[in-house]
Amino acid sequence: AAGVIQSPRHLIKEKRETATLKCYPIPRHDTVYWYQQGPGQDPQFLISFYEKMQSDKGSIPDRFSAQQFSDYHSELNMSSLELGDSALYFCASSLFRGRGNTIYFGEGSWLTVV
Amino acid sequence: ILNVEQSPQSLHVQEGDSTNFTCSFPSSNFYALHWYRWETAKSPEALFVMTLNGDEKKKGRISATLNTKEGYSYLYIKGSQPEDSATYLCAFSPGTSYGKLTFGQGTILTVHP
Repeated sequence: AAGVIQSPRHLIKEKRETATLKCYPIPRHDTVYWYQQGPGQDPQFLISFYEKMQSDKGSIPDRFSAQQFSDYHSELNMSSLELGDSALYFCASSLFRGRGNTIYFGEGSWLTVV
Repeated sequence: ILNVEQSPQSLHVQEGDSTNFTCSFPSSNFYALHWYRWETAKSPEALFVMTLNGDEKKKGRISATLNTKEGYSYLYIKGSQPEDSATYLCAFSPGTSYGKLTFGQGTILTVHP
């Protein structure tokens, strides 16, 4: 079965550079979520989209922005990268935000800022 | 700040043993509780989504129960196999923000042949 696809899987950037992560949800899923997992930490919610509109916002830095496109894929843009942005970034998707709907996660994108 | 706690932090069992772990979460503003199984370098695998007090769900040798009034969920594995070795995560969905999950720190299970 198709899963959540994230690209790239690994990314190395220098401080102050910009990075873009992409997420392709499971077909027909209309809701996308982004999480950040720093070293030794639990995944932290960043932002989510439902039907191309931002639905919830978590602890996402102002330097980060995200959007969901008409084909439901989503991109997370990170600018002025800092060393502390080095983390595993998960994308997840679900069909609507209905209670009881399973939220499926991708394998994550590893971002290393040097 | 939501507090989701899992115990134990790690567990070593022998093949064939049955085991269980606990996830505790805020009993107020409860919406759903998710269980995931996560192997290194793979995506977290969704096991269960639990919403109702008293819920019991089963998938093969794995089952889970939910008590929303006291704020805990148990995950049981019957007859553990080496392939069950993984990190088991629970995640709490608060009311009105379904996908804004707060994760526990996970229980690392190692099953020895």
